[in-house]
Amino acid sequence: ETGVTQSPTHLIKTRGQQVTLRCSSQSGHNTVSWYQQALGQGPQFIFQYYREEENGRGNFPPRFSGLQFPNYSSELNVNALELDDSALYLCASSSPEGLAGVETQYFGPGTRLLVL
Amino acid sequence: AQSVAQPEDQVNVAEGNPLTVKCTYSVSGNPYLFWYVQYPNRGLQFLLKYITGDNLVKGSYGFEAEFNKSQTSFHLKKPSALVSDSALYFCAVRGYSGGGADGLTFGKGTHLIIQP
Repeated sequence: ETGVTQSPTHLIKTRGQQVTLRCSSQSGHNTVSWYQQALGQGPQFIFQYYREEENGRGNFPPRFSGLQFPNYSSELNVNALELDDSALYLCASSSPEGLAGVETQYFGPGTRLLVL
Repeated sequence: AQSVAQPEDQVNVAEGNPLTVKCTYSVSGNPYLFWYVQYPNRGLQFLLKYITGDNLVKGSYGFEAEFNKSQTSFHLKKPSALVSDSALYFCAVRGYSGGGADGLTFGKGTHLIIQP
């Protein structure tokens, strides 16, 4: 098991509501990435935070937003929920490795969101 | 933009036989390639990665992967399959663009079923 934790494990919301998902990084990691995994699909990159700043974003609308805190934990906020937002949301933490700086991302267990 | 293809939705192998899970990729620049495994209702678990160097990469639980630049492939292999290897396997590529991180781009996943 990785040291990445996520809360809550499951969540049910209705269309139009807002949701906040939380992630605690593995000790020593300063980078957090969020992914959305729809049923039967591979995870899709939402965004990445490094030292409290967003430094990369996938093809997701602005209603998906995030925060990273000084202790490197992170939140994913989704406004105006839509039915298609139903998915497993995965958080991954990492820290730059070596000269190439291509880090390994270690994933948490995920939060399963159901939008009705 | 980068992409990953896992051409097989499912691979069936008898226990004790060698296994191969296929992956091909497309990326501009140097490819940084990863394999992850996902067990039911769990997050993704890192198996191995290729950054540079030897084309044969060894990872966790006896898995290895062979990088082939000319064929743009990164197939996952194991000499002798175990029933406990049955899971969903994801190949991923990491890209960087314009000074920002692109995150990991995943394939759709391959269900590996090891039959006793």
